[in-house]
Amino acid sequence: DVVMTQSPLSLPVTLGQPASISCRSSQSLVYSDGNTYLNWFQQRPGQSPRRLIYKVSNRDSGVPDRFSGSGSGTDFTLNIRRVEAEDVGVYYCMQSTHWPRTFGQGTKLEIK
Amino acid sequence: EVQLLESGGGLGQPGGSLRLSCAASGFIFSNYAMTWVRQAPGMGLEWVSSISNSESSTNYADSVKGRFTISRDNSKNTLYLQMNSLRAEDTAVYYCAKGWDGMDVWGQGTTVTVSS
Repeated sequence: DVVMTQSPLSLPVTLGQPASISCRSSQSLVYSDGNTYLNWFQQRPGQSPRRLIYKVSNRDSGVPDRFSGSGSGTDFTLNIRRVEAEDVGVYYCMQSTHWPRTFGQGTKLEIK
Repeated sequence: EVQLLESGGGLGQPGGSLRLSCAASGFIFSNYAMTWVRQAPGMGLEWVSSISNSESSTNYADSVKGRFTISRDNSKNTLYLQMNSLRAEDTAVYYCAKGWDGMDVWGQGTTVTVSS
């Protein structure tokens, strides 16, 4: 199975400051069609997960442009340009290149 | 509006069975693969199973293989998860989600508790 490793697991951030979450996979996530199926999800307290980013860097509809994804191969990053109070929650990366699908452990973002 | 509404959760006995349902609306259900993901109390997300749009292909996590069966009824716009031989470690919130390449819409979840 592909192991997804996120860091940090806890991320205290001051409002208005940037934040960055790393996600590394144990194998390349490049699929035979040339796409890289790396997704980022946000789970706010008490809510269902919500997809923010798909295929490394594509933002879902309605996702603020302060969120951006980057990376390639086995090394990926979610960046938040200026953290707002509504960004509090847990962030997960997930690969959908290989079966079984696998998630990272989650990164808990809180406001300092 | 795209919506997924899970039901069927509750208290299950160890060794017993439960069937979860997920009613889809707002999109052409038969065009999309579907997925079940679960989250144990206080824990992260765990992919459980996915099914292709035509039901021709299914995939399972090792932790549920041979015990759980995913299926769908495209005429009823409904996804199912038949859960047999339940274990305490199956206790979780179960979410259905649209797609299997990257799940873009999630339901609100249904809670399964396995306990005697």
